[in-house]
Amino acid sequence: SYELTQPPSVSVSPGQTARITCSGDALSKKYAFWYQQKSGQAPLLVMFEDTKRPSGIPERFSGSSSGTMATLTIRGAQAEDEGDYYCYSTDSSGNQRVFGGGTRLTVL
Amino acid sequence: DVQVVESGGGLVKPGGSLRLHCTVSGLIFSNFTMNWVRQGPGKGLQWVSSISLGGSYISYADSLKGRFTTSRDNAKNSLFLQMNSLEAEDTGVYYCSAEYFYDGRGVDYWGQGALVTVSS
Repeated sequence: SYELTQPPSVSVSPGQTARITCSGDALSKKYAFWYQQKSGQAPLLVMFEDTKRPSGIPERFSGSSSGTMATLTIRGAQAEDEGDYYCYSTDSSGNQRVFGGGTRLTVL
Repeated sequence: DVQVVESGGGLVKPGGSLRLHCTVSGLIFSNFTMNWVRQGPGKGLQWVSSISLGGSYISYADSLKGRFTTSRDNAKNSLFLQMNSLEAEDTGVYYCSAEYFYDGRGVDYWGQGALVTVSS
């Protein structure tokens, strides 16, 4: 079955740049989406179609994709950005959607 | 305001069945692809199923082995998930989401989830 691979954790100091990667064979052909989830809350969409930011998401969030890797970048990370981040995409057929394993972002 | 509300969760014995219901208000339901996503205790998100606008195309996670069935009723702004032959590994919070990604625009809405516990 298709898998998306993320690092389990990323840690940065406030004001630094956090980069969370997501690798998968089909990412060269399929879009990546990114979700933020805080404890006890539903997921929140922070990036769609690799590089597009939904309304209401701060400009410090950006996305990129190259080859089989997508990256979510948070410039000037703040304490409020702490949480779990999941990438989301489909396999090459488009029939199976899949989440990455998630990355715990710590800002301290 | 958009509201997404799941219901129908609860405690069920292994091998049993449960039907989840999701109601959506504040948007044109028939314009949105609908999804079920679950999260086991202390685990990551797992996609379960997606259904197209009119309900003609439905996809499921291969790991479910045909035990789950998704349907929608656009006249009642409702989404359903029929879960059969439940296993302990199906325990978790089940989220309903509505997504719209077209022409460079993107938005999705999630409910707060319904807890399903499979235990004897």
